[in-house]
Amino acid sequence: SQQGEEDPQALSIQEGENATMNCSYKTSINNLQWYRQNSGRGLVHLILIRSNEREKHSGRLRVTLDTSKKSSSLLITASRAADTASYFCATDDNNNDMRFGAGTRLTVKP
Amino acid sequence: NAGVTQTPKFQVLKTGQSMTLQCAQDMNHEYMSWYRQDPGMGLRLIHYSVGAGITDQGEVPNGYNVSRSTTEDFPLRLLSAAPSQTSVYFCASSQRLGQETDTQYFGPGTRLTVL
Repeated sequence: SQQGEEDPQALSIQEGENATMNCSYKTSINNLQWYRQNSGRGLVHLILIRSNEREKHSGRLRVTLDTSKKSSSLLITASRAADTASYFCATDDNNNDMRFGAGTRLTVKP
Repeated sequence: NAGVTQTPKFQVLKTGQSMTLQCAQDMNHEYMSWYRQDPGMGLRLIHYSVGAGITDQGEVPNGYNVSRSTTEDFPLRLLSAAPSQTSVYFCASSQRLGQETDTQYFGPGTRLTVL
């Protein structure tokens, strides 16, 4: 079964707006990673947040982690049409395997 | 660095045929893994390896074999292809930080169709 569950499944916004995607998981983790996948392509790493961290920034990306709620959020600020992609969270649960969620499909309209 | 490379990019098999998907990385990563991605779903782990000579099963290992004779290569073998194995296959590699898996680098994927 999948560890991470993204919410929403799909999100459509206008260019310039912020996009927020959420990820919930079930077990304790070492870290949580967010990836982006453009249609028909491989996955690209965006950001990694460790279990002892609460927030991380990278450019227009902001990730939060709440281990008490077993949830994370990815915020993309000032979105661009080029941000259109699927976004996945993945968890490293100290079991040597990574578990991915089903993803959020983000569409940014110009 | 070429990063993670996969071959072939596309493959069509008939039910019962066998084949090997190739994966190689030139980053000296200890951890390598194979995932499959089905339409509308996330990635599911098939097999993984934490170093040369060590492999283990992931979430959906049935029908697949792997080996890790070198750090660089991690081939995935389909023993007897079935239509249920129609999917896109991704190979990934990463460093290990103790017992923790660091950022994964993904190959471009192999699109497999089993008729």
